[in-house]
Amino acid sequence: GDSVTQMEGPVTLSEEAFLTINCTYTATGYPSLFWYVQYPGEGLQLLLKATKADDKGSNKGFEATYRKETTSFHLEKGSVQVSDSAVYFCALIDQTGANNLFFGTGTRLTVIP
Amino acid sequence: DVKVTQSSRYLVKRTGEKVFLECVQDMDHENMFWYRQDPGLGLRLIYFSYDVKMKEKGDIPEGYSVSREKKERFSLILESASTNQTSMYLCASSFLDRAGNTIYFGEGSWLTVV
Repeated sequence: GDSVTQMEGPVTLSEEAFLTINCTYTATGYPSLFWYVQYPGEGLQLLLKATKADDKGSNKGFEATYRKETTSFHLEKGSVQVSDSAVYFCALIDQTGANNLFFGTGTRLTVIP
Repeated sequence: DVKVTQSSRYLVKRTGEKVFLECVQDMDHENMFWYRQDPGLGLRLIYFSYDVKMKEKGDIPEGYSVSREKKERFSLILESASTNQTSMYLCASSFLDRAGNTIYFGEGSWLTVV
């Protein structure tokens, strides 16, 4: 079945450090891939998405590239800010199957000044 | 912008009470979902609906029911609340376009059952 595996946290970085959060997936069909962000006490916000191999999603300085050969969708940001502190979820929808979203377990990022 | 609105952000209910969580989306989306989020367990799908009056069980439907009488509204019902249903509940909706499905979430409802 479909699944998403993302690196466990928590991750603590200093401001302006480089961020990578790893995400790999298993899917039987042709998934779309997503990163969601959850700030404390709030729901999930769509951060970026990619719908086919080699697509790059980007938003707010974050990027992720859909790598079919390595079944990965790693999240990166060149210079994190304190305001990026949140929980990040990798997710997929298998577009050939049901409309359900499969989530990773989330990675908590804390950025310290 | 897509707007998914959950009627209550914070609720405290007693064991055995009937609880309604309401969710409304304003983008004419066909699909709507209810998830619960618990520490260490991530997000788990309770029910989803792909059309008015249609519903499908998710991974953890026990103790819950849903209602979708109008396209924009999807209600989650706890017939008899129990303490193990204390959780954060997230509603979501999605649509299918050329880029595939994208799911949008509400801000969440924190339910405490005492």
